[in-house]
Amino acid sequence: SQQGEEDPQALSIQEGENATMNCSYKTSINNLQWYRQNSGRGLVHLILIRSNEREKHSGRLRVTLDTSKKSSSLLITASRAADTASYFCATYVQGAQKLVFGQGTRLTINP
Amino acid sequence: DAGITQSPRHKVTETGTPVTLRCHQTENHRYMYWYRQDPGHGLRLIHYSYGVKDTDKGEVSDGYSVSRSKTEDFLLTLESATSSQTSVYFCAISPEWFYGTQETQYFGPGTRLLVL
Repeated sequence: SQQGEEDPQALSIQEGENATMNCSYKTSINNLQWYRQNSGRGLVHLILIRSNEREKHSGRLRVTLDTSKKSSSLLITASRAADTASYFCATYVQGAQKLVFGQGTRLTINP
Repeated sequence: DAGITQSPRHKVTETGTPVTLRCHQTENHRYMYWYRQDPGHGLRLIHYSYGVKDTDKGEVSDGYSVSRSKTEDFLLTLESATSSQTSVYFCAISPEWFYGTQETQYFGPGTRLLVL
């Protein structure tokens, strides 16, 4: 099974609402990253949180990391239509020397 | 897209034919990666390179080979394409590792490959 698994697989909300998506992983990590992918495009890095950090903010994005539960969440506040995309978490696994991506959450913002 | 181009962007080929995809970067980053993206599987690493002529396998390397003769170019070759290799292929780059961990990866626009 995947090292990183996002939940939910799909999320549909109204514009202006907050969107929360979660990522769980299995092994110890050095850092966890979130990426966005618009339809038909490559992935774009959003935010990185290190294993010794618990929360990080970037604009309307808030990421939390709970290493005891091996989970992370990405909160997008005041959503906009342009936030419609797939969101992936990626974990850097200690000793693996590579990023491992989850399967993504498909977020749809309805006007 | 952080100075990364992929060519071709779309390709249709027949089973058994060789296919080469090219990734070109202008960032002078040390690390380059090839991923494939398929529904239900997310992104899976095929091969990566940590320097000129230095490459290693990822989790789905069977049927693929790579070469990196220059810092800026990373080639992915399907020696004899199969229908199971129909996918979207992404190249990514990252700079020197920081404190032994892998920092941000920057992705190219992708190549859609259809093997008939």
